[in-house]
Amino acid sequence: SQQGEEDPQALSIQEGENATMNCSYKTSINNLQWYRQNSGRGLVHLILIRSNEREKHSGRLRVTLDTSKKNSSLLITASRAADTASYFCATDLSYNTDKLIFGTGTRLQVFP
Amino acid sequence: GAGVSQSPSNKVTEKGKDVELRCDPISGHTALYWYRQSLGQGLEFLIYFQGNSAPDKSGLPSDRFSAERTGGSVSTLTIQRTQQEDSAVYLCASSFWGNSNQPQHFGDGTRLSIL
Repeated sequence: SQQGEEDPQALSIQEGENATMNCSYKTSINNLQWYRQNSGRGLVHLILIRSNEREKHSGRLRVTLDTSKKNSSLLITASRAADTASYFCATDLSYNTDKLIFGTGTRLQVFP
Repeated sequence: GAGVSQSPSNKVTEKGKDVELRCDPISGHTALYWYRQSLGQGLEFLIYFQGNSAPDKSGLPSDRFSAERTGGSVSTLTIQRTQQEDSAVYLCASSFWGNSNQPQHFGDGTRLSIL
């Protein structure tokens, strides 16, 4: 079963609105990463948050991590049509930092 | 600088044939990963290389799947006697070293279709 699962599976919003995606994971982690994937392309790394961090910002992106609830959220503020993509969270396992386990993704559609 | 390059970008083949997929990682990256992505799904881990060694092959679905890496650089993923359920996008990624505190850099994948 997946370590990480994103919620919602799909999200449609208008340009200028904020988009929030959540990632739930099952076991303790050291690091959590968020990636985006445009249709037909590979994944692009967005942001990494460590287990001892609670919040990180990068431009219009804000990521939070709640290790007690085993949950992370990705907020995209003032969304643009170009933000249309699938967004994935990825975690390691506390006992294995060699690889990442990817969630099922949230498909974001931003309408102009 | 050059990113991760995968070839071919598309491959259509008949059931039962063997296929080889190639990945050129970013120069200097010691870690290389192979994933499989079915339509509209997340990424399924297949195998991980650190240098030329594969410490984790746990995701290979069957003994029809194998991978190698030579010179700490190029990697090939081979699927023997392909089946229709092998149809998917195969993604390769590399990172400076193999640790979850490093971002992974992805190629655009090989879209494999088994007829």
